[in-house]
Amino acid sequence: QITLKESGPTLVKPTQTLTLTCTFSGFSLTTSGVGVGWIRQPPGKALECLALIYWDDDKRYSPSLKSRLTIIKDTSKNQVVLTMTNMDPVDTATYYCAHRQVGSGSYDFWGQGTLVTVSS
Amino acid sequence: DIVMTQSPDSLAVSLGERATINCKSSQSVLYSSNNKNYLAWYQQKPGQPPKLLFYWASTRESGVPDRFSGSGSGTDFTLTISSLQAEDVAVYYCQQYYSTPYNFGQGTKLEIK
Repeated sequence: QITLKESGPTLVKPTQTLTLTCTFSGFSLTTSGVGVGWIRQPPGKALECLALIYWDDDKRYSPSLKSRLTIIKDTSKNQVVLTMTNMDPVDTATYYCAHRQVGSGSYDFWGQGTLVTVSS
Repeated sequence: DIVMTQSPDSLAVSLGERATINCKSSQSVLYSSNNKNYLAWYQQKPGQPPKLLFYWASTRESGVPDRFSGSGSGTDFTLTISSLQAEDVAVYYCQQYYSTPYNFGQGTKLEIK
């Protein structure tokens, strides 16, 4: 059974750096084809892909946010960490991590998400 | 980037009637070497994460009722609910995974008429 859970601060101040952790079980990020992505959703708005990391440490970022994002994996802890610098109120959103379906690119398992509010 | 555009933005359908949601990509998401469309559909209910309904445009995820169907190829895709049930009220998203970033459409809100 694949599960994912996001953790991190619920409130950050403008200009601060956000660090989110995705802790997962039921799969390994050392297995060929496996990937974990971060997706966010501002309140009442659409989904936006932020970053994706593959089993071989290949990393992909949203071009519009690439300068602010870093994604890393810790296979010993079954975790993926996303950092986003220089947070702004427009970054207020629910942040999800999700398992990339092996063999396709769709996301077949999602965490429940964590709401991050950016406010002074 | 591949831009995904859904239509309509919102849709109200009577119970038992057909609901149709369209998705158009700014470039083809059909990979010629394997003849597969790199397109997924998701359902999102309030307060919940998205749920995968279809991948490869028309392959139904396990557990998805067969009143849901996905079709299309290249740049034009459709999600159809043949007989709307109350539990189908949700926002539906398409997503391309042909090239990163794996962009989503803006969503279509489906309601009961």
